[in-house]
Amino acid sequence: GAGVSQSPRYKVAKRGQDVALRCDPISGHVSLFWYQQALGQGPEFLTYFQNEAQLDKSGLPSDRFFAERPEGSVSTLKIQRTQQEDSAVYLCASSLTDSVNSPLHFGNGTRLTVT
Amino acid sequence: TQLLEQSPQFLSIQEGENLTVYCNSSSVFSSLQWYRQEPGEGPVLLVTVVTGGEVKKLKRLTFQFGDARKDSSLHITAAQPGDTGLYLCARADAGGTSYGKLTFGQGTILTVHP
Repeated sequence: GAGVSQSPRYKVAKRGQDVALRCDPISGHVSLFWYQQALGQGPEFLTYFQNEAQLDKSGLPSDRFFAERPEGSVSTLKIQRTQQEDSAVYLCASSLTDSVNSPLHFGNGTRLTVT
Repeated sequence: TQLLEQSPQFLSIQEGENLTVYCNSSSVFSSLQWYRQEPGEGPVLLVTVVTGGEVKKLKRLTFQFGDARKDSSLHITAAQPGDTGLYLCARADAGGTSYGKLTFGQGTILTVHP
């Protein structure tokens, strides 16, 4: 079956532009996560959804970052007024349930470059 | 923030050599995961260790969870060029909202030369 799909794979934005990053999780997966990965670093948690409910957004760096999952499936991460420090790979992951025995499946990420 | 320290940060070896990557924390964690990430791809889960002293084997990879559950190691025997990648350890935040809310180490970049 299909894995987690993210689009676009690459996005170049000029500073100040708004961007929207899309994540299609594995069908039927309840939990969805967004992570940010800077070059040469491990991923850092941004936000978590259980179905359509955003249960944790503690990792979002500023109020310019907004995520939604309105129908409990596809999710969009929106960044308003992008800054150079937003340049990173944005990873989406999903899991069937929320348990230690339900592994995360990551997409291949969207590489965002802000110029 | 409960940090995970990984060492070494970089490792460059010849095919056939053995290597060990370490992951340490100042606090106890309930479980630890190891991931491998190739360039342009997302991390892929290798193993989850839960019990102190636990040892798990995955072909040429051996994962160990320390008795005190503050450290873990990944040992690769007879490394191959296909093992090249970024190796990440990760823990679920204590008292966190979800098992999937992970704190990752900074990773070990492994290069295996033919």
